[in-house]
Amino acid sequence: ETGVTQTPRHLVMGMTNKKSLKCEQHLGHNAMYWYKQSAKKPLELMFVYSLEERVENNSVPSRFSPECPNSSHLFLHLHTLQPEDSALYLCASSLRGSLETQYFGPGTRLLVL
Amino acid sequence: KQEVTQIPAALSVPEGENLVLNCSFTDSAIYNLQWFRQDPGKGLTSLLLIQSSQREQTSGRLNASLDKSSGRSTLYIAASQPGDSATYLCAVSPGSGGGADGLTFGKGTHLIIQP
Repeated sequence: ETGVTQTPRHLVMGMTNKKSLKCEQHLGHNAMYWYKQSAKKPLELMFVYSLEERVENNSVPSRFSPECPNSSHLFLHLHTLQPEDSALYLCASSLRGSLETQYFGPGTRLLVL
Repeated sequence: KQEVTQIPAALSVPEGENLVLNCSFTDSAIYNLQWFRQDPGKGLTSLLLIQSSQREQTSGRLNASLDKSSGRSTLYIAASQPGDSATYLCAVSPGSGGGADGLTFGKGTHLIIQP
């Protein structure tokens, strides 16, 4: 148990659907991250939130929309996705200014049909 | 743009062997380097974190080294066990540090330890 939870663990959606991924951390961290892991590609950073403000948007298409209502919760809203968006979406958190590592959740396995 | 390369992409060895996983990065201006483990269908577990000012870190049977100037790191696993089977990922944090910095990952080394 890493203290970072993600729901749902698996999601199948059509290209016209709207869905949201949820991440919650119980570690008292103040920075949260979304990463995408596709087959045969390195983990890619998507978004970074620090103190609930978005500090990095790594050229991610607008069909992915993040939301960070407080330091413990992070959402990724999905709308009109493409089949190539099928991947494992990982959430992580860290303590800003700390020398410690980022802690990762188990991920949401997304399949877009 | 920082790029991280891991060699080999896959490795299969008999139980009990010592082994070395390699990681290289193109921009030596890093804050730290980390090694993670990922089991199938699961998230990442941090194994070792080396600050840019350090040369190595050890945890149990694992030893990670860092040569920042040459852009290289190695993960040494002693007396390998079947439970060590997983994908091992190397990641670097950018040079500024201290803030909320996304990590740049390699593609990983898929390790199988044969019983």
